[in-house]
Amino acid sequence: NAGVTQTPKFQVLKTGQSMTLQCAQDMNHEYMSWYRQDPGMGLRLIHYSVGAGITDQGEVPNGYNVSRSTTEDFPLRLLSAAPSQTSVYFCASSYSNDRTQPQHFGDGTRLSIL
Amino acid sequence: GENVEQHPSTLSVQEGDSAVIKCTYSDSASNYFPWYKQELGKRPQLIIDIRSNVGEKKDQRIAVTLNKTAKHFSLHITETQPEDSAVYFCAAPSGGYQKVTFGTGTKLQVIP
Repeated sequence: NAGVTQTPKFQVLKTGQSMTLQCAQDMNHEYMSWYRQDPGMGLRLIHYSVGAGITDQGEVPNGYNVSRSTTEDFPLRLLSAAPSQTSVYFCASSYSNDRTQPQHFGDGTRLSIL
Repeated sequence: GENVEQHPSTLSVQEGDSAVIKCTYSDSASNYFPWYKQELGKRPQLIIDIRSNVGEKKDQRIAVTLNKTAKHFSLHITETQPEDSAVYFCAAPSGGYQKVTFGTGTKLQVIP
């Protein structure tokens, strides 16, 4: 199993550009989520999904969209990039939705907005 | 929603000494408490977890203790080694059964 795969690993954007961060898992996990990691602020939840067709907002959802058309994929879209969105983004998945299972993280996408 | 506070934010110990990191949470319904280790430039990875029906769990040099009454849980690392240097995050469930809130992290430095 590859686990959780994120692409790209690095990206530089200009303010106002849009892009999609890809996340795929091959563990048949129901729960998937996106976090951003900023210095001194830990991991903050952006959006999450408890299964195909179901998504919801986390702590910092503004400026981001998600969709979950399949169990495997959970892309994160930046609609109009802003410098405040410069961060490291992690996708994670876990086996069930009952919050009692560990999360498996991807390697992260390092995003810079100029 | 859940509020998870983690202390200290940085911790330096001499090799061989013990390190303790503490987290407090607010949601009394929380029942699963994992700890993740993140090495520089890498992904967070689970190192140990505890469920609310036990008070302590050990795995070699690491242990986690849980005090549900006081709503706090702690990570204990004994006989620290340089490879223990990393950022450690605690986490707790929040917002019903669908969200996880992370602490702000503790940067542990083990000095050889």
